[in-house]
Amino acid sequence: EVQLVESGGGLVQPGRSLRLSCAASGFTFDDYAMHWVRQAPGKGLEWVSGISWNSGSIGYADSVKGRFTISRDNAKNSLYLQMNSLRAEDTALYYCAKDKDDYVWGRYFQHWGQGTLVTVSS
Amino acid sequence: DIQMTQSPSSLSASVGDRVTITCQASQDISNYLNWYQQKPGKAPKLLIYDASNLETGVPSRFSGSGSGTDFTFTISSLQPEDIATYYCQQYDNPSLTFGGGTKVEIK
Repeated sequence: EVQLVESGGGLVQPGRSLRLSCAASGFTFDDYAMHWVRQAPGKGLEWVSGISWNSGSIGYADSVKGRFTISRDNAKNSLYLQMNSLRAEDTALYYCAKDKDDYVWGRYFQHWGQGTLVTVSS
Repeated sequence: DIQMTQSPSSLSASVGDRVTITCQASQDISNYLNWYQQKPGKAPKLLIYDASNLETGVPSRFSGSGSGTDFTFTISSLQPEDIATYYCQQYDNPSLTFGGGTKVEIK
C-alpha cells in the first residue's frame, strides 16, 4: 500500500524559512516523479513543484519560483520542500503526491498524503 | 500559464441524476487533462486521467471526455457518496494547473 507522510509544517513568521519532508513507502520510490501540491484554507488546489525520479527535471509554479526548492533522496525514500522568504499567501495545507509515472517532472497526482499545515503569520 | 475555467462552481442534484461538469482550457492542451474528487477533510483522489481513462478501482459511473480546449466530466447516476468537490487539472508543461473546482451537493 502506498503511504506518503508529510511533516515539518507549523507556524512561521513572514520572511522566515521552513523545510517540509515527505516519507514514502509501499512503492519503488525512484521509479516515479513526485510533487508538492497546496491548498489554502477553504480554497482550491495549487500545484507547487514537481521533480523527476533522478532530480534531472524540476518544475515550479510561478508563485514560488526562486523562493522554494524541491529535492528528493531516493536512498531515504524521501521528498523535501525548502521554503524560503515565506509570505502570508503561502499559508496552506501542503500535500506530497506521487505521480503515475516519470515524465519530465510529472503529470498526474495518483496518490496523496494527508498534508502538513503551514501557517505564515506574525 | 494555461488557465482552466471550470463550471459550474457548485451544483445540487438528486440521487440518480446525471451530473455534468465542464472544464475549458485557455489554449489547446490535447488530452492532457485529469479529474480529481476531494471529499471534505480528505486528500484528493485521481478519478480520470488523459481526459477519458478511468483510474483503477474508480466506479464506472464516472467518465470523462474532450480534447483540445473543452472537456467534460460526467457522473452517470449520482450517489450519496459522490458528495465532494471535483477538480480538473492540465499537464501541458511547464506548469500544472487546476480548475477552480465544482462542489457537488445532494438536493
